[in-house]
Order: sequence, then C-alpha cells, then structure tokens
Amino acid sequence: AQSVTQLDSHVSVSEGTPVLLRCNYSSSYSPSLFWYVQHPNKGLQLLLKYTSAATLVKGINGFEAEFKKSETSFHLTKPSAHMSDAAEYFCVVSESSASKIIFGSGTRLSIRP
Amino acid sequence: ETGVTQSPTHLIKTRGQQVTLRCSSQSGHNTVSWYQQALGQGPQFIFQYYREEENGRGNFPPRFSGLQFPNYSSELNVNALELDDSALYLCASSPGRDNFYGYTFGSGTRLTVV
Repeated sequence: AQSVTQLDSHVSVSEGTPVLLRCNYSSSYSPSLFWYVQHPNKGLQLLLKYTSAATLVKGINGFEAEFKKSETSFHLTKPSAHMSDAAEYFCVVSESSASKIIFGSGTRLSIRP
Repeated sequence: ETGVTQSPTHLIKTRGQQVTLRCSSQSGHNTVSWYQQALGQGPQFIFQYYREEENGRGNFPPRFSGLQFPNYSSELNVNALELDDSALYLCASSPGRDNFYGYTFGSGTRLTVV
C-alpha cells in the first residue's frame, strides 16, 4: 500500500532564506513522486516529478527535490525564498501500476518580509 | 494549448439534491481523474477515466459516479448530496493512464451543500 506523510503542516521562512519542505513516502513498488503547489483559490500546479531517472530533480521556480530510497524521502528545497512562493505544497506518491495517486496533507509555506 | 477547464466555478445545493460537475481535459489528454478537497485537507482521489472507461476508484460511495465522453471531457455526478460533500472538486487530465506523466489540474468547482 502506498502512503505519503508531510512532516510539517506549516513552515515559515524569511524572504531570501532557504526553504525545506519534508516528505516521506511508503510504497510497495518503485514509486513516482511529485510536488504540487496550490495558491489560494487556484488549482494545483506541478512543480516537479521523479519517475526513476535522476534522483535529484529540478522543477520550476527554482525548486528541486532529491529522491532518497534508503530514507524513503522526497524533500522539496529552494535556495532562496521569494514572497510569491507563499502557498500550500503537496507531496504526491503514485505506483506506476496503480491508477490513483495519493496526496499528502499539505504544508503551508509562509514567507516573512 | 488550452488547459483543464471546469464548470461551474461555484455551486450551492441543498442536501438530498443531485449535482453534475463538468471538466474539459487539456488538448491531447485521454485520461481524466477527479478529486475531492475538503477545507484544509489534501485532495482525495475519487476515480479515473481512460478512454471512456473507469480505470480506478478511491474510497467513495456509489452515489459518486462519472462519465468520460469521446472527446475525453468528463462529468462527475453526485446523488443524494450530504453536508460533508461540501468541498472543492478538482479535475485533472494527463496524456496517458500511466502516472509517469503527472497531471494537469483545473481550478476546481467549489460545491457548498446546505
């Protein structure tokens, strides 16, 4: 069975400082992993995805994530936060043999001026 | 290319009524999935359609049903609405049923049941 846990419900950082959003997953098979961002009253936008190629994945807006199989983690990072990064972030896991994807509960990212 | 469009954007229904939500998939996408996002929670998978056939279902009762049409657009139908059905309903499309591709999401339909 697949599951995903986002370890922080809320993260607050100052503008210009690094961002770390943590995600752990559980999967019986080789998973596909995604990060999505949701701005208020908007749909979900794909930030990046891991599908068994390079373990360090670069996404849009300067975000990247590293797949660590030994730690079953897929943490999202950004070197320098921008005010426009304030949003809800979802880690998502999917087994390629499954037709459904599982969302984490989300991490709300706040950026302090 | 157009993205995923959903209609209506907002809807208010009374408990016990039925509702139909609509979704137009992104051009070139043959797979559509639906999600329910309650306030403050992550989206929950309802079901997925691939080439007009249901291709997987989450833990939702049979009163949640769907259709996919030959042009790959889709409908979500909910019968006998309950107060807990109040949520943002998201539609997503992808170019294939393999989850390798990731999904393109619409902006959602906000359903309020009173």
